[in-house]
Amino acid sequence: GAGVSQSPSNKVTEKGKDVELRCDPISGHTALYWYRQSLGQGLEFLIYFQGNSAPDKSGLPSDRFSAERTGGSVSTLTIQRTQQEDSAVYLCASSLGLAGAGTDTQYFGPGTRLTVL
Amino acid sequence: AQTVTQSQPEMSVQEAETVTLSCTYDTSESDYYLFWYKQPPSRQMILVIRQEAYKQQNATENRFSVNFQKAAKSFSLKISDSQLGDAAMYFCAYIRVTDKLIFGTGTRLQVFP
Repeated sequence: GAGVSQSPSNKVTEKGKDVELRCDPISGHTALYWYRQSLGQGLEFLIYFQGNSAPDKSGLPSDRFSAERTGGSVSTLTIQRTQQEDSAVYLCASSLGLAGAGTDTQYFGPGTRLTVL
Repeated sequence: AQTVTQSQPEMSVQEAETVTLSCTYDTSESDYYLFWYKQPPSRQMILVIRQEAYKQQNATENRFSVNFQKAAKSFSLKISDSQLGDAAMYFCAYIRVTDKLIFGTGTRLQVFP
């Protein structure tokens, strides 16, 4: 596709419900990242997928957070038993991933704004 | 641990004037990359400029340029001939070759006509 797309654009849920956020990376990009941006803050790394390698989950804040990447393309970030502190914008980014995480520019999607009531 | 600091929560500039956004970082690495991203109200992070630490020459992209001072661990962004469309949050970010992006907390830039 022309750019990274994310859905839904906005999601409002009740505390305790599970939510799924979707990311479609740029076609041909092998690296995919999820970030969280809380109100007025910078971006916080959550998880990183590179090709068929095991994902880097070091940024996930709790075991309620998980992510999958199917077929090396689309990724889903799942938050179980949502809490009010999970309210944030969740941003996805992708990069070519040819030469390692540091050398490739990451291109971001528009994000999903999650509101937990 | 690596950190990125943006000490200016907000900045403002008159249209057509020049503004400089500050960024400092802390690392013991010698090989890394630095970025400035722009985030307009649409939320989408847009790459403004990228600098490889091994390059002494400052990166430039049209009206945007950086002042990269490796020894001082400083990476400021200069926007020349500011335009109304430059109004946004600007984030400085750092990455090692085999690691993840670390972002500063951002600077909100306002542009006045």
